[in-house]
Amino acid sequence: GEDVEQSLFLSVREGDSSVINCTYTDSSSTYLYWYKQEPGAGLQLLTYIFSNMDMKQDQRLTVLLNKKDKHLSLRIADTQTGDSAIYFCAERDPLWSSARQLTFGSGTQLTVLP
Amino acid sequence: GAGVSQSPSNKVTEKGKDVELRCDPISGHTALYWYRQSLGQGLEFLIYFQGNSAPDKSGLPSDRFSAERTGGSVSTLTIQRTQQEDSAVYLCASSFKGETQYFGPGTRLLVL
Repeated sequence: GEDVEQSLFLSVREGDSSVINCTYTDSSSTYLYWYKQEPGAGLQLLTYIFSNMDMKQDQRLTVLLNKKDKHLSLRIADTQTGDSAIYFCAERDPLWSSARQLTFGSGTQLTVLP
Repeated sequence: GAGVSQSPSNKVTEKGKDVELRCDPISGHTALYWYRQSLGQGLEFLIYFQGNSAPDKSGLPSDRFSAERTGGSVSTLTIQRTQQEDSAVYLCASSFKGETQYFGPGTRLLVL
């Protein structure tokens, strides 16, 4: 089955770029997601990428996918204090499967320092 | 509606009591999911409903947990004889068919 891993903490200065990393194990065709969770709130979808793509950019967010190493990263440009939150990487069950569950990493707590 | 809604937002109950958690998916979404978020276990899948198909219950942790989805829309997650280890945030998500999942704000359950 899928296994998704993330580092637990990241601190950056306001205005710098943040890079949050994630590794996954399943090589099947699927989608990979980034969600953001602020204190006391649910999960907010940030972006997603299909497993045969290398990169996706959406305003300040850039997702990079290294299929060979099964490594996914989320880069946030010009990080702001409002970006402080927990960021979850998630892998969906393979497209050939009838299952549709997401397997989540442990989450990375991003702290943006003024 | 504009997004997935869940009720109640917070629930405190005593050990041994039954609780019901409700989820209203995004209008038009055919799939509905329940997840549990706890300190020790992170985010775990519980159950998945897709249209009129039999639900995928593979993530339910015990037979004290059950869920139903009436009329292909609203879903209720029921936990019978609650235990302290059931304390967690219960998150509901919906999607159009099996595509991108959008989450509700969650129900925070505390079992005393």
